[in-house]
Amino acid sequence: EAGVAQSPRYKIIEKRQSVAFWCNPISGHATLYWYQQILGQGPKLLIQFQNNGVVDDSQLPKDRFSAERLKGVDSTLKIQPAKLEDSAVYLCASSSLAGYYNEQFFGPGTRLTVL
Amino acid sequence: TQLLEQSPQFLSIQEGENLTVYCNSSSVFSSLQWYRQEPGEGPVLLVTVVTGGEVKKLKRLTFQFGDARKDSSLHITAAQPGDTGLYLCAGARGSGNTPLVFGKGTRLSVIA
Repeated sequence: EAGVAQSPRYKIIEKRQSVAFWCNPISGHATLYWYQQILGQGPKLLIQFQNNGVVDDSQLPKDRFSAERLKGVDSTLKIQPAKLEDSAVYLCASSSLAGYYNEQFFGPGTRLTVL
Repeated sequence: TQLLEQSPQFLSIQEGENLTVYCNSSSVFSSLQWYRQEPGEGPVLLVTVVTGGEVKKLKRLTFQFGDARKDSSLHITAAQPGDTGLYLCAGARGSGNTPLVFGKGTRLSVIA
């Protein structure tokens, strides 16, 4: 079974530029998550989708971050414009609705550096 | 507010030593998960504990959920260099796809 795929793996941009990340979850997983992991910290949930609907985006900085999952499969996360403090690893995870305890499977992440 | 506090933050030990890392909270969780994250990779689920007082073993790793479901510990026996990584605990307050809250992690280094 293929795991969660993310691209790109690394991205370096200058502040005020835009950037987009892509995620392809495990086949059949209805729930998809985007996390931000700043160096030295645990992952922080940005947004949770169930199929193509948003379940929780309370910690998403909506003035600059946006995410979509149009067909309930792949998802993109966009930052526009980027700030220095957005430098982090952006992790995508997915889980199955059949999993009672929300056991999540993570992709390798995209490491973003904002200069 | 950090709901899950992990300690220690950093741990460096020799191969063959035993160690315990802790995950504490003032909140009650319906379940708690432990993940290990290696450099350049995403976290990988190790175990889920759901019942107060529950103990689960995974080879040399022993996980315990506190009786009140507010804390958990991970004990590694005879650590090996392959155990090196960031150990994260994550709690859920409900069932199903309730969002997880992650601790900051314990970074373990096992030296050969």
